[in-house]
Amino acid sequence: NAGVMQNPRHLVRRRGQEARLRCSPMKGHSHVYWYRQLPEEGLKFMVYLQKENIIDESGMPKERFSAEFPKEGPSILRIQQVVRGDSAAYFCASSHGLAGETGELFFGEGSRLTVL
Amino acid sequence: GIQVEQSPPDLILQEGANSTLRCNFSDSVNNLQWFHQNPWGQLINLFYIPSGTKQNGRLSATTVATERYSLLYISSSQTTDSGVYFCAVEKRYNNNDMRFGAGTRLTVKP
Repeated sequence: NAGVMQNPRHLVRRRGQEARLRCSPMKGHSHVYWYRQLPEEGLKFMVYLQKENIIDESGMPKERFSAEFPKEGPSILRIQQVVRGDSAAYFCASSHGLAGETGELFFGEGSRLTVL
Repeated sequence: GIQVEQSPPDLILQEGANSTLRCNFSDSVNNLQWFHQNPWGQLINLFYIPSGTKQNGRLSATTVATERYSLLYISSSQTTDSGVYFCAVEKRYNNNDMRFGAGTRLTVKP
């Protein structure tokens, strides 16, 4: 009965360190999406994944950011060599993705990254 | 890509008042959802409504897909309704790319 689970909820990193954010989708959902929200702004699409596949990463910065959704375990959003501009809330969403459509998206509570 | 515009950007209400939030989009859509982001940052699903009308308690929503807009109605507003309301759409034939509007920030005063 669990919803989308994200951890950590809060993460503090110094410039140049790596940040790893994890997301477990809702039970029965095979599609995972990552969004970034800067303060006082809306959500910006980053990447869409299915198990072992990146389907659309058009919203991901070309450098330092990567995402995966392995066969076993949660989806991971990885940010290498973080900079202050990476400070944001990162939300994960999942959907069933049946019949070739997204279906209803359900969001986790977000991971708030602060880069010092 | 598809454009999503929400209005008004900000809205201040007295408790008990009614309000209508609007979402315009620039293309045909497969999917439209309304979310409420509460002051703690949580995104709560309100409606999955690519077309038609739905009601849930004091909230209701209508999407007129042919005219490319959706409306969210809040009746008898309460202070707990405060937060940001987002509309998100998925362009038809461009699956799995939900685009968010900039949101309407609602403040309900006691």
